Amino acid sequence: ETGVTQTPRHLVMGMTNKKSLKCEQHLGHNAMYWYKQSAKKPLELMFVYSLEERVENNSVPSRFSPECPNSSHLFLHLHTLQPEDSALYLCASSRSSTANSYEQYFGPGTRLTVT
Amino acid sequence: AQSVAQPEDQVNVAEGNPLTVKCTYSVSGNPYLFWYVQYPNRGLQFLLKYITGDNLVKGSYGFEAEFNKSQTSFHLKKPSALVSDSALYFCAVRPVDGNKLVFGAGTILRVKS
Repeated sequence: ETGVTQTPRHLVMGMTNKKSLKCEQHLGHNAMYWYKQSAKKPLELMFVYSLEERVENNSVPSRFSPECPNSSHLFLHLHTLQPEDSALYLCASSRSSTANSYEQYFGPGTRLTVT
Repeated sequence: AQSVAQPEDQVNVAEGNPLTVKCTYSVSGNPYLFWYVQYPNRGLQFLLKYITGDNLVKGSYGFEAEFNKSQTSFHLKKPSALVSDSALYFCAVRPVDGNKLVFGAGTILRVKS
């Protein structure tokens, strides 16, 4: 699991706070992803970055703002969240976002609680 | 639109018995199919994938899965379950000519000694 790391592992924030989630991949991959995992629901793809460019945004509210400064790092900036945003946020990477046969490698996730 | 169904929320198996976790999919065109496992407080780990060729795919930890095109299924199997196999299992599909990887809702596997 050291291939993809995420910090912090746990985060509690109020609805008026601003915080950021960080993801780093040490696999030399070109694509990175943010997913939201809620209980008893399929994983929801939020954002896809390929070579630092955002290639997919799945109708995610603007209170979630991604940033990819280079191919190894991915951030998710959070502001004015709602309690229903509480979930496990997973980062993943793969060799390519367009070559569909490549599997994705996941980080351990950040457990976010919005109070 | 593509979709994945994992019809069982939970599967219970005795240690040493064979296990099956079911997955069916819907996709236009040919699929790439994946299985991932998630242990408590961990991210998803890749187990195996079907790309092309032999319908029986072997993966990590003794798991295997069989691609059945006519039944649009990709069930995960293991001949002899271990207590340590207890985890949450996700099936995922991606069309050969599409971008999005779609996951099922997951199946909890409990192996009891």
